Amino acid sequence: AQRVTQPEKLLSVFKGAPVELKCNYSYSGSPELFWYVQYSRQRLQLLLRHISRESIKGFTADLNKGETSFHLKKPFAQEEDSAMYYCALRGYTGANSKLTFGKGITLSVRP
Amino acid sequence: GAGVSQSPRYKVAKRGQDVALRCDPISGHVSLFWYQQALGQGPEFLTYFQNEAQLDKSGLPSDRFFAERPEGSVSTLKIQRTQQEDSAVYLCASSLAGLSYGNNEQFFGPGTRLTVL
Repeated sequence: AQRVTQPEKLLSVFKGAPVELKCNYSYSGSPELFWYVQYSRQRLQLLLRHISRESIKGFTADLNKGETSFHLKKPFAQEEDSAMYYCALRGYTGANSKLTFGKGITLSVRP
Repeated sequence: GAGVSQSPRYKVAKRGQDVALRCDPISGHVSLFWYQQALGQGPEFLTYFQNEAQLDKSGLPSDRFFAERPEGSVSTLKIQRTQQEDSAVYLCASSLAGLSYGNNEQFFGPGTRLTVL
């Protein structure tokens, strides 16, 4: 079975503060990990994926297989980062590339 | 170009009614997914199509849920005899890839919010 855990529901920080959104996963093989973001009144969209190893909008995430974690980080939060963030996993199950999501966390960045 | 579209955006049904939710994927996308998102939860997988073939329906919660994609493009999710616990946002996603794990980003639609009274 595959599972994604986001232990916190809400993170509220001031503009310019560092941000870390936690994600832990459970999967017996080598999964693909993603972060999706949903801004107010917009649809769910991909923020970044671990295989790309890139920084998007200042966010980075490193896959730690030992700790089975994929935490999302940004050194200096901006107000426009306020949104709902979901961590997701895709296992290599052959024909189906379905995503398993965590429950999500609301990031609120105050001015 | 146009992204994934879904209709209706909002649906209110009385308990026991049948509903049909439509998804128009991005043109040319092979894979199509349906997810159910209850309030305060992340999306949960319902079913998956590769072209017109429904390859995985393991996430459908009961036999009241039925999905089809007869021509490999538009898909319909049908819920028969709706119950209050069916109230949720139903998300559709499509991706270009089929079996390949290359270009397989899933693009999501805006969702249909179903409320069962």
